[in-house]
Amino acid sequence: DTAVSQTPKYLVTQMGNDKSIKCEQNLGHDTMYWYKQDSKKFLKIMFSYNNKELIINETVPNRFSPKSPDKAHLNLHINSLELGDSAVYFCASSQVSGRAGNTEAFFGQGTRLTVV
Amino acid sequence: ILNVEQSPQSLHVQEGDSTNFTCSFPSSNFYALHWYRWETAKSPEALFVMTLNGDEKKKGRISATLNTKEGYSYLYIKGSQPEDSATYLCAFGGNYGQNFVFGPGTRLSVLP
Repeated sequence: DTAVSQTPKYLVTQMGNDKSIKCEQNLGHDTMYWYKQDSKKFLKIMFSYNNKELIINETVPNRFSPKSPDKAHLNLHINSLELGDSAVYFCASSQVSGRAGNTEAFFGQGTRLTVV
Repeated sequence: ILNVEQSPQSLHVQEGDSTNFTCSFPSSNFYALHWYRWETAKSPEALFVMTLNGDEKKKGRISATLNTKEGYSYLYIKGSQPEDSATYLCAFGGNYGQNFVFGPGTRLSVLP
């Protein structure tokens, strides 16, 4: 069973469309993240979220919004897609609180978004 | 957003060489420092989680040290092998670990 799964793996869409990328983790972690791999292959944090707090990277356009229906899911919604949104998006999860302390992040396989 | 730096940006070594690279991070509000190994077309995979100043971790030929007071961590690879070729990322967790910021990575190529 995949620990962190993202769907779809590939997404090709036209400019102006609204799309969502889904992420699910079955590790029981309390915190989930969205990262964008930029053109220089760097991983840039977009959001981190647990049931208490959403932390947003202020450089992320407000066309991007995280939606968490429950603790195991953090979906990424993107409105009015632009060419510059083309990238690989990674979801991740980790356990931040508790006796075990901070665990490493487990990543999904990535979603390659292409906006045409 | 915090600034996490890694050096060198890329590194080419011969098989059997030992190598090391550096991660620099803010020394205030430290919570944890992670190292990840990221192979092309795959997802990053964790190597180490380090939380205490002076921590040293080891996994096979790879080891890491942590200095939270001066804000740096070293990753060492002993006797590099071609399968060690990957990008090595460090990630700094501040704010009780909720805000993980990755460095740009060091791309290692091990030549046979």
